[in-house]
Amino acid sequence: DTGVSQNPRHKITKRGQNVTFRCDPISEHNRLYWYRQTLGQGPEFLTYFQNEAQLEKSRLLSDRFSAERPKGSFSTLEIQRTEQGDSAMYLCASSFHSIFVSGANVLTFGAGSRLTVL
Amino acid sequence: AQSVTQLDSQVPVFEEAPVELRCNYSSSVSVYLFWYVQYPNQGLQLLLKYLSGSTLVESINGFEAEFNKSQTSFHLRKPSVHISDTAEYFCAVIPYFGNEKLTFGTGTRLTIIP
Repeated sequence: DTGVSQNPRHKITKRGQNVTFRCDPISEHNRLYWYRQTLGQGPEFLTYFQNEAQLEKSRLLSDRFSAERPKGSFSTLEIQRTEQGDSAMYLCASSFHSIFVSGANVLTFGAGSRLTVL
Repeated sequence: AQSVTQLDSQVPVFEEAPVELRCNYSSSVSVYLFWYVQYPNQGLQLLLKYLSGSTLVESINGFEAEFNKSQTSFHLRKPSVHISDTAEYFCAVIPYFGNEKLTFGTGTRLTIIP
């Protein structure tokens, strides 16, 4: 178990380009979450999956954002036509149980993927 | 909806001195409470959590937090800090029922002065 892995760790792109981030959760974890953290702010929820099903999406996730978890294992977060306001750290986390099953889940976070849009 | 307020964005403390990082929350429903720590260039790690029972919870590295329902607070304390405690600390809540979204505060950067 190597924890939650995110790639790439850093991405610099020009405005208007598309970017994709990948998250590999802990293998036995069926829940996967994406959060976004901008400078000086705490992480903000974007979306989460139970296995391959995307169960909830935040209003922060505009039409330019899409997340997938096709086989219930790794997940990708794609941002199309990037804007400068998309510059942030994109965090992925996974957990084994729903919070409502275990009392309170323990999310394991990856180190994040930092996006800079020029 | 829930909100979390961490009034102190930065807290400098001398090594071996005590520290308190403040966290207040607002919620119309009961919540679970958490403190996460983020060391430089690392992911968020759970430091401690309050689910129910004793209002004082402790972590393995000497931190403790006390849930105060009347003041809607969950302040984090340590009686004697070390250089290795330098990190950013986030308070977070999640409602008992409903969605599974953690709501985080804006974080407090703890800097230990040798």
